[in-house]
Amino acid sequence: EIVMTQSPDTLSVSPGERATLSCRASQSVSSNVAWYQQKPGQVPRLLIYGASTRATGIPARFSGSGSGTEFSLSISSLQSEDFAVYYCQQYNNWPSFGQGTKLEIK
Amino acid sequence: QVQLVQSGAEVKKPGSSVKVSCKASRDTFSSYAINWVRQAPGQGLEWMGGIIPIFTTTKYAENFEGRITITADESTSTAYMTLNSLRSEDTAFYYCARASSLWSWLDPWGQGTLVTVSS
Repeated sequence: EIVMTQSPDTLSVSPGERATLSCRASQSVSSNVAWYQQKPGQVPRLLIYGASTRATGIPARFSGSGSGTEFSLSISSLQSEDFAVYYCQQYNNWPSFGQGTKLEIK
Repeated sequence: QVQLVQSGAEVKKPGSSVKVSCKASRDTFSSYAINWVRQAPGQGLEWMGGIIPIFTTTKYAENFEGRITITADESTSTAYMTLNSLRSEDTAFYYCARASSLWSWLDPWGQGTLVTVSS
């Protein structure tokens, strides 16, 4: 099983600033990584797939990068609606998720 | 707009089984895979398994092998997830989600079904 480890567990950032979330795979997953946003009481929403391709309707302030074992999700100029929990997922083989990073208002 | 509509909340006794349904629009069902993911209260996401209805190909996560069965009925565009031998730790939201294959990103997701296991 490929273990996805996200860091940090909680990230405190002020609105308008940039946030960078990290995700590390226990072995190479090529570019087969997706990122999801989940707000309290809501269903996860796909943000990024293929490590760097934004899903339909996702604002350009969200960007993903990385390949192999190291991945990141960046959110430029944080808006109030961006404070949520973010999960990475690898789908190179048996899918697995990271434990999540909570992005909170500083 | 693609939609996945799941069945309603369930309360089950330990040791029993639960069957959750996920109805999709027809074009979604024929061409894609349906995956199942669960989320315990306040916890993260856990992939359970998936099915490609057109091929009836299924894959299950090792953690659930032997306790889970995923099936699909193409005539009604509905996928089902059955989990047996329920225990309190199985209390969670269960989501279905569309994928282009069994190894793929998930989009969109169903609204979730809360399964509570309690004596």
